[in-house]
Amino acid sequence: GNSVTQMEGPVTLSEEAFLTINCTYTATGYPSLFWYVQYPGEGLQLLLKATKADDKGSNKGFEATYRKETTSFHLEKGSVQVSDSAVYFCALSDVPLSGSARQLTFGSGTQLTVLP
Amino acid sequence: DTGVSQDPRHKITKRGQNVTFRCDPISEHNRLYWYRQTLGQGPEFLTYFQNEAQLEKSRLLSDRFSAERPKGSFSTLEIQRTEQGDSAMYLCASSPIGDTQYFGPGTRLTVL
Repeated sequence: GNSVTQMEGPVTLSEEAFLTINCTYTATGYPSLFWYVQYPGEGLQLLLKATKADDKGSNKGFEATYRKETTSFHLEKGSVQVSDSAVYFCALSDVPLSGSARQLTFGSGTQLTVLP
Repeated sequence: DTGVSQDPRHKITKRGQNVTFRCDPISEHNRLYWYRQTLGQGPEFLTYFQNEAQLEKSRLLSDRFSAERPKGSFSTLEIQRTEQGDSAMYLCASSPIGDTQYFGPGTRLTVL
């Protein structure tokens, strides 16, 4: 079945530090890959996505490249801010063999805290 | 575009009671999903609607759970005879054709 493995947290960084959150996946087909962010007390917000190999998703200074050869989709940001403090989820979307839903399979999330 | 909305945001109930949650998707989205998220974990898929048809149900959706989307617009998720293990955040998401899902703020259920 499909699965997503994320770097365990929590991760604590100083403002303006470089961020990497590792994500690897296992999928039976050709999934789309996503990063979602969850701020305290809120639902998930789409941060970025990539739909095929070698695509790079980017948004708000965050980037991730779909690497089929290493089955990875690592999230990076060159200079984090205090406002980036949140939980980050890697996810994949694939059509299961038995059905039609493009359900999302999530990793367990990585808590990021950025200190001023 | 007002986004996906969910009601209530918080629900506290006693074990054995029934609860019902509502989700209003983005108006032009024909696909609607329910997920459950427990503390410290990522969301897990529960069920999926395309228009009013429920096309997919996870094994997590026991017989005590039922979901409807009667006119292909809003959806309800009912849990009968709640158990303490049902305590979680229940998330609704909607999407147009394609695979980007947009999530609501969730309903946090606490079963005492």
